[in-house]
Amino acid sequence: DAGVTQSPTHLIKTRGQHVTLRCSPISGHKSVSWYQQVLGQGPQFIFQYYEKEERGRGNFPDRFSARQFPNYSSELNVNALLLGDSALYLCASSSRQGGGNNSPLHFGNGTRLTVT
Amino acid sequence: AQSVTQLGSHVSVSEGALVLLRCNYSSSVPPYLFWYVQYPNQGLQLLLKYTSAATLVKGINGFEAEFKKSETSFHLTKPSAHMSDAAEYFCAMGGGADGLTFGKGTHLIIQP
Repeated sequence: DAGVTQSPTHLIKTRGQHVTLRCSPISGHKSVSWYQQVLGQGPQFIFQYYEKEERGRGNFPDRFSARQFPNYSSELNVNALLLGDSALYLCASSSRQGGGNNSPLHFGNGTRLTVT
Repeated sequence: AQSVTQLGSHVSVSEGALVLLRCNYSSSVPPYLFWYVQYPNQGLQLLLKYTSAATLVKGINGFEAEFKKSETSFHLTKPSAHMSDAAEYFCAMGGGADGLTFGKGTHLIIQP
């Protein structure tokens, strides 16, 4: 079975531009979460979607938005890019909402975003 | 607020030696606890999770962790380190709608 797939794997953007990152969850998983991992740090929670609705949001500005489609894939959008947005963006899926004890998160390999 | 603290940003052990990676948590409610491993240029892989059914949790690749409520700790151990264990290890807590809270990570170095 395919794991969580993310695209693109790498991209370079300029300050002020917009970016869209894509994620396909494991087949049968209905929850998708997004995390930002700055170099040398642990991942930070951005969003959680379950059944196409936003269920949780981390401490990120409104420049960050996301959505989940009927096939449970997801997009993360970031507007007005800043240098500080340079990071590895990780998508994770789980079978149930929350990705908790009985439904752990399965992570993709991430998208490496560089903002210049 | 929940928080996870990993003591030691870098840990170096000899091949065959005991691996001990430390994690302490702060939570007002009984936590869900996890250890993840990240190899270079890859995502995170779940090593083990605390289920509350047993305080000693066994995971993949010979790793295990012990939940100690009195010490608010969830340290990760492996009796004998292998070169392939070299990676970044993250302790995490949570898992509800607020997502997981991760520690800053510990880079494990294996000396031949």
